[in-house]
Amino acid sequence: LAKTTQPISMDSYEGQEVNITCSHNNIATNDYITWYQQFPSQGPRFIIQGYKTKVTNEVASLFIPADRKSSTLSLPRVSLSDTAVYYCLVGNTGGGNKLTFGTGTQLKVEL
Amino acid sequence: ETGVTQTPRHLVMGMTNKKSLKCEQHLGHNAMYWYKQSAKKPLELMFVYSLEERVENNSVPSRFSPECPNSSHLFLHLHTLQPEDSALYLCASSQGWRGNGDDEQFFGPGTRLTVL
Repeated sequence: LAKTTQPISMDSYEGQEVNITCSHNNIATNDYITWYQQFPSQGPRFIIQGYKTKVTNEVASLFIPADRKSSTLSLPRVSLSDTAVYYCLVGNTGGGNKLTFGTGTQLKVEL
Repeated sequence: ETGVTQTPRHLVMGMTNKKSLKCEQHLGHNAMYWYKQSAKKPLELMFVYSLEERVENNSVPSRFSPECPNSSHLFLHLHTLQPEDSALYLCASSQGWRGNGDDEQFFGPGTRLTVL
């Protein structure tokens, strides 16, 4: 079972790049890595997903080293509206019982 | 709006009550999930349904009983709950039928449950 570890909180300022790292030392060969964002009183929202190397979309980049034991979510030029909890999820093709969310990282963006 | 709705949004119940949570997805997805989110704890996967069949039950107490009558609806029946069951209950759906997290999950807004 791939357990994930994230920093509990991070602080940043508007316009800065934020990098949030998730450790998943026991990741299995077939596991994908997915990141979600959650605002208070809302359900999580998908940000990005990857398997290896680098993935980029319109809101974020995901960096996964060759050993895949960690991953880093990169948010370019954050704004106040990016203040939220960010979750790292590791899952595999073996079945839903191996879906493991991390504890989440509370990102606070200030002016 | 994510295309996943949950009712009610808030629920207060006593330990002897029986209530049900409802989830509906309007996305044509094949897999649906129930999660529990307690304060300061990670999201806990409770149940996964794929193509209307339960594929996972993560050792959830029997006082929680899921039901998936069709691919668009998911229920969580509650009876004789404990105060520690108070939490935010989230429903999600995904296109993929394997229900294994590979596919993007679309979450509903959740039901805030308080057990007195």
